[in-house]
Amino acid sequence: DGGITQSPKYLFRKEGQNVTLSCEQNLNHDAMYWYRQDPGQGLRLIYYSQIVNDFQKGDIAEGYSVSREKKESFPLTVTSAQKNPTAFYLCASSAAGEANEQYFGPGTRLTVT
Amino acid sequence: GQNIDQPTEMTATEGAIVQINCTYQTSGFNGLFWYQQHAGEAPTFLSYNVLDGLEEKGRFSSFLSRSKGYSYLLLKELQMKDSASYLCAVMDSNYQLIWGAGTKLIIKP
Repeated sequence: DGGITQSPKYLFRKEGQNVTLSCEQNLNHDAMYWYRQDPGQGLRLIYYSQIVNDFQKGDIAEGYSVSREKKESFPLTVTSAQKNPTAFYLCASSAAGEANEQYFGPGTRLTVT
Repeated sequence: GQNIDQPTEMTATEGAIVQINCTYQTSGFNGLFWYQQHAGEAPTFLSYNVLDGLEEKGRFSSFLSRSKGYSYLLLKELQMKDSASYLCAVMDSNYQLIWGAGTKLIIKP
């Protein structure tokens, strides 16, 4: 089955710790994205990557970092510099081309206390 | 600035029809997407409109008017499983998706 996986589903961390969220896809998609979803707000783009070894900041990149060493994988690190990290994080991918639909993973709910 | 507006919440009755509206103001336009998202789950793609008019797909239809910056999602023969949030997203001139906050649809028996 083709799709996007994110793990874990739920993640708990103490303030001051970095945490890495995984995202893997076997759809052979070139583009991958990380979004953050907070109650009452639309999805907000954190980082995106259109090709291996290249990525760009989205609207709210501060306090986050990513890597794209393999086409299938796009991990997101939430650093201690992110002031309000508790949120639902969604990873997505899309085929090459400019107006293709994005396919989403199941999400990781991160709680930092 | 860029803005997508949709109602926060709507309620409808099983078997009925509901229309969810979306208005947008964006820097450029390269299409409008509708997604469905059940609570705590991933959004799933419903429809894409780039030209004016109505796109029909089974019980779901989506309409676009680019001159008015307006779209709607029409759901017919509502089922309990249609209870979810419906997200409107516009692709801007940079081919980035701008997302609305979503409309929570509650279906009552």
